[in-house]
Amino acid sequence: GAGVSQSPSNKVTEKGKDVELRCDPISGHTALYWYRQRLGQGLEFLIYFQGNSAPDKSGLPSDRFSAERTGESVSTLTIQRTQQEDSAVYLCASSRDGGNNEQFFGPGTRLTVL
Amino acid sequence: AQSVSQHNHHVILSEAASLELGCNYSYGGTVNLFWYVQYPGQHLQLLLKYFSGDPLVKGIKGFEAEFIKSKFSFNLRKPSVQWSDTAEYFCAVNAYAGNNRKLIWGLGTSLAVNP
Repeated sequence: GAGVSQSPSNKVTEKGKDVELRCDPISGHTALYWYRQRLGQGLEFLIYFQGNSAPDKSGLPSDRFSAERTGESVSTLTIQRTQQEDSAVYLCASSRDGGNNEQFFGPGTRLTVL
Repeated sequence: AQSVSQHNHHVILSEAASLELGCNYSYGGTVNLFWYVQYPGQHLQLLLKYFSGDPLVKGIKGFEAEFIKSKFSFNLRKPSVQWSDTAEYFCAVNAYAGNNRKLIWGLGTSLAVNP
């Protein structure tokens, strides 16, 4: 069956530009997570969507970062006025619910800000 | 604040050596515990998990982990590593904190197995 997909796989942008990253979760998964993984570091939680509940945005590093999810489908992570420190791999994961279930990860989007 | 600590950041072993990667968490309530693995160029994937019951859990590829509640630990072990175990290993904890059940992740341990 289809796993979590993310697009684009790679994105190179200039400092100051806006970027939009997309995540298609596994069908039927109500929970969706965005993480950032900088080179040589662990996963940094960004935001969590669970069904129709208000998202947990506690991990967003600044107001330049925002994310949306319509229902239980696609999510987009937007970074405005990108900075070089935003360069990282952005990972999306989904799970059947926000509880004990395994998170299934997408391949990530590698963002490079020049 | 809840946190997960992985003590070994980089581990280098020879094939057939035994492996133990440490993971400690700070949360006094009920927890679910996970080890994820990321092989070079691949997605993160679940290695094993503990929810309840037998504190010694077995995962894929011969890995196992033991939950020791009194030590707040969930160490990962494998008796004899192979070159193909070269990967990044992440410990994660799902703490029951209201409705917020996101995982809290350790920083990861990079394992290199020399043939």
